Amino acid sequence: QVQLQQWGAGLLKPSETLSLTCAVYGGSFSGYYWNWIRQPPGKGLEWIGEINHSGSTNYNPSLKSRVTISGDTSKSQFSLKLSSVTAAETAVYYCARGRSGPNLAFYYYYMDVWGRGITVTVSS
Amino acid sequence: SSELTQDPAVSVALGQTVRITCQGDSLRRYYAAWYQHRPGQAPLLVMYGINNRPSGIPDRFSGSRSGATASLTITAAQAEDEADYYCNSRDSSGNHEVVFGGGTKLTVL
Repeated sequence: QVQLQQWGAGLLKPSETLSLTCAVYGGSFSGYYWNWIRQPPGKGLEWIGEINHSGSTNYNPSLKSRVTISGDTSKSQFSLKLSSVTAAETAVYYCARGRSGPNLAFYYYYMDVWGRGITVTVSS
Repeated sequence: SSELTQDPAVSVALGQTVRITCQGDSLRRYYAAWYQHRPGQAPLLVMYGINNRPSGIPDRFSGSRSGATASLTITAAQAEDEADYYCNSRDSSGNHEVVFGGGTKLTVL
């Protein structure tokens, strides 16, 4: 049973850098996309970005200038750094495993394993 | 970037059938995935691919697609199905972005 365990600072001041890490237990790090997603209070899910086992990354265009996702395959961990945070970025941050590939004439993409989420509050 | 559009709220009487829809150009190329999200819990994948349920998801959940619209149908809805439901896919425009719909709050009456 694959599990994702995430940790990081839960309270930040505006302009600081958010830093979270997610560890993969019970499964392979290779062959998947490793994602960060967040949900501000009262709002929907927002994709932040992903990294695959080769280190290739994709980011939400609205956050791209401030986001860095890195991976450590030797530890089966991946991390999120988001610089210059504001109060509007107070949210529950989740890590999740993504799977993608072709299926007949279409493609699929889904996130089948999620971390429990960590609440990050940005406040002065 | 691509967008996925969902109705903000839907209600269903206990034991009745409800369909939750998701529209977006990316769905012409990607199957939608569907997540159930209850307060205080992590999102839970309930449907992916053509019509695939992860292990442990009841068979009252089913999925379908037509053109740029994907649907999640819950047959004989139960009280525990009350939750927010999100669709998701990868953007098909080539920028590799991943997108979520805005979410549908399902109320079971």
